[in-house]
Amino acid sequence: AQSVAQPEDQVNVAEGNPLTVKCTYSVSGNPYLFWYVQYPNRGLQFLLKYITGDNLVKGSYGFEAEFNKSQTSFHLKKPSALVSDSALYFCAVRDKGSGGYQKVTFGTGTKLQVIP
Amino acid sequence: DAGVTQSPTHLIKTRGQQVTLRCSPKSGHDTVSWYQQALGQGPQFIFQYYEEEERQRGNFPDRFSGHQFPNYSSELNVNALLLGDSALYLCASSFPGGSNTGELFFGEGSRLTVL
Repeated sequence: AQSVAQPEDQVNVAEGNPLTVKCTYSVSGNPYLFWYVQYPNRGLQFLLKYITGDNLVKGSYGFEAEFNKSQTSFHLKKPSALVSDSALYFCAVRDKGSGGYQKVTFGTGTKLQVIP
Repeated sequence: DAGVTQSPTHLIKTRGQQVTLRCSPKSGHDTVSWYQQALGQGPQFIFQYYEEEERQRGNFPDRFSGHQFPNYSSELNVNALLLGDSALYLCASSFPGGSNTGELFFGEGSRLTVL
């Protein structure tokens, strides 16, 4: 089964500084990777995805992610953090389930705290 | 264009009771997945419905069951509630199976508290 790992429970960054939230993956075949964000007491919102093509993927709210096949990583990045970016971030992978139907498996999440 | 809607938003039950949660997918979506998110955890896959049938199931007991209706809306039923079932239950819809790249659209969730 496919899986993702988020090694950091929390990341703190000063407002205006670049941020990185880490994710590594374990898949067989070509990976379909995603980042989602969750604000308190809300559902998850899709940020970006990697399917194929350029290793640098651009998404919503100025976020981007870098796919690195040799390091099996898919780190989320933003050049300049905003206080409003403070939220819970989940890395996810599309997992090939039974009967050819896909499901999405999520990591444990990383809490991003942007300090004013 | 309405997104994914879930009801109720909050509910409180006691151990042993049964609960039904409801979900209407985003317009144009025909696949519905349900996730359980315990406090401080990532979403855990419960099951997925497509064409009114359960297509995949995660590691959840038979107390968790579901249904999908012809209009693609879905229900999640949990019987014999346990304290450990307290969680945020998330419904997610996605594009038709053949073009499904895995991007999910989530509702706001139903917060279940079991006392």
